[in-house]
Amino acid sequence: AQSVTQPDIHITVSEGASLELRCNYSYGATPYLFWYVQSPGQGLQLLLKYFSGDTLVQGIKGFEAEFKRSQSSFNLRKPSVHWSDAAEYFCAVGGRTGGGNKLTFGTGTQLKVEL
Amino acid sequence: DADVTQTPRNRITKTGKRIMLECSQTKGHDRMYWYRQDPGLGLQLIYYSFDVKDINKGEISDGYSVSRQAQAKFSLSLESAIPNQTALYFCATSDGIGRGNEQFFGPGTRLTVL
Repeated sequence: AQSVTQPDIHITVSEGASLELRCNYSYGATPYLFWYVQSPGQGLQLLLKYFSGDTLVQGIKGFEAEFKRSQSSFNLRKPSVHWSDAAEYFCAVGGRTGGGNKLTFGTGTQLKVEL
Repeated sequence: DADVTQTPRNRITKTGKRIMLECSQTKGHDRMYWYRQDPGLGLQLIYYSFDVKDINKGEISDGYSVSRQAQAKFSLSLESAIPNQTALYFCATSDGIGRGNEQFFGPGTRLTVL
């Protein structure tokens, strides 16, 4: 069964500082990987996705993530955080076969940005 | 206009009442999903549908039912609401496994059961 672990429930960073949110997945083959962001009172917006090819993927709002097969990780990074990045971030894994009919989400990381 | 819409956006109801949450999409996607979100638990899949005639249970379907009235419409019902169904409910759509099942979400419905 596929699963996702986001080990950090809350993270606080200062505006302008770099950010890394951790995501570890479990899946029997090469997965599809996603990062979504949820701003307060909003739905989930896709930040970026990995399907194949280059393991460093670029997303919206200056975010990037790196797929590391050996570590089963897909960590989200941003070099300089803005106050508007405060939100909850969800990592998700999907599959390429029948199990890919659905996404499995992590429990989320709440990001707080200090001015 | 939003691609995935949910009505109502907020609802307060009482224990034992029947509630229907509605989802409509203009993306032309075949696949639609219902999730609930609870603090600290992420998103849990309730039901999903690959087309009008194909409906499947997710991880937490007990106490819920769904109806796929058309390709664009997917409703979630709570036949007899209970307080632990208080949560944020999301509808999502996708165009299939070929895109890794990338899903597009509605704005959510906040349901409170008293």
